[in-house]
Amino acid sequence: SQKIEQNSEALNIQEGKTATLTCNYTNYSPAYLQWYRQDPGRGPVFLLLIRENEKEKRKERLKVTFDTTLKQSLFHITASQPADSATYLCALGLAAGYQKVTFGTGTKLQVIP
Amino acid sequence: GAVVSQHPSWVICKSGTSVKIECRSLDFQATTMFWYRQFPKQSLMLMATSNEGSKATYEQGVEKDKFLINHASLTLSTLTVTSAHPEDSSFYICSARVRGSNQPQHFGDGTRLSIL
Repeated sequence: SQKIEQNSEALNIQEGKTATLTCNYTNYSPAYLQWYRQDPGRGPVFLLLIRENEKEKRKERLKVTFDTTLKQSLFHITASQPADSATYLCALGLAAGYQKVTFGTGTKLQVIP
Repeated sequence: GAVVSQHPSWVICKSGTSVKIECRSLDFQATTMFWYRQFPKQSLMLMATSNEGSKATYEQGVEKDKFLINHASLTLSTLTVTSAHPEDSSFYICSARVRGSNQPQHFGDGTRLSIL
């Protein structure tokens, strides 16, 4: 069966360190992968998109990698800050132009001052 | 840019009533809007995909007569939960995207629905 797995346990990290979140998938062949941030009681906010032919994408303190062999994406936040505390969701898009994405369950990140 | 407004943000009503939730794209034209349901500590579950001017496409297991979706313009989609019951209580979130490959979804802030 198809699965998108993110760390179900919350990730606690010290301020200033790099946070690394994992998104693993099985029985999917995604054309692209997106990462979103969701704060409690709010809708998700889009952060980054990476296509299947891209290995890495960066945006300010954020970095995403995409390994289609390992079927895994890693999401890094460098120099983490308490304001980065939130739940982070990965979402897989099955084909270029295909409208739907499928979301993982999310990982809750807590950055400790 | 890319702001999506969802209204109301929360609603409490009696069992048997119908509730309408609005989703508006404020500064862009959304060719496609999505409606999701989210339970506590769970992921977003897609309910339906809505394209402007056409009927919504519902996901398997979602009752189209229960959850009525209308996408009358490029900036407005509505979800009506008809004859709501306590089991319909949930967090409902809409999103909108523009035409084009790999475009991200822009989300509203959700509607907390509580049916007594």
